[in-house]
Amino acid sequence: DIQMTQSPSTLSASVGDRVTITCRASQSISRWLAWYQQKPGKAPKLLIYDASSLESGVPSRFSGSVSGREYILTISSLQPDDFATYYCQQINTYPRTFGQGTKVEIK
Amino acid sequence: EVQLVETGGGLIQPGGSLRLSCAASGFTVSSNYMSWVRQAPGKGLDWISAIYSGGTSYYADSVKGRFTISRDNSKNTLYLQMNSLRADDTAVYYCARGGFGTYFLSYWGQGTLVTVSS
Repeated sequence: DIQMTQSPSTLSASVGDRVTITCRASQSISRWLAWYQQKPGKAPKLLIYDASSLESGVPSRFSGSVSGREYILTISSLQPDDFATYYCQQINTYPRTFGQGTKVEIK
Repeated sequence: EVQLVETGGGLIQPGGSLRLSCAASGFTVSSNYMSWVRQAPGKGLDWISAIYSGGTSYYADSVKGRFTISRDNSKNTLYLQMNSLRADDTAVYYCARGGFGTYFLSYWGQGTLVTVSS
């Protein structure tokens, strides 16, 4: 199985901060990676697909990038609505594995 | 508008069976890539099964041989038949649909809670 190692597990930040979350794949997954946002008690929401494509309706402060087997989610200017948990997921092979999640907390 | 509504969760004893339903509206289940993802209390997301429009299905090793994904075209509904349930199957179960022409999960239901306990 492909392991997705996500870091950090928790991140404390302030409104307006630039935030980056990283996912490293244990094997090559090309661009078959998504980022999801999840708020407590709610279903996940797709933010980024194909490693760097912005899902329709998602604010442009969210962006995705890739360097080798390292995938990065960047929030350019953290907003109050962005405090949530973020997950990466690879869809290159089965099983479709998720990262462990990154909780973005208010500093 | 795409909508997914899961039902069928509840409290079940270890070793028991349960069938989850995911009723879809705004699109045709049989023409889309569908998946089940679960989340144990306080834990992360755990992919468990998927089915393609052509009918090919896949499972996580943790549920293979115990869970079966299926669909009823006449009811436009996705199912997850869960047998031989264990305590570690306790989770909120979400159904999700792929995006247009992709296998990324663009649409999600609200989830249904399954609790396996004696």
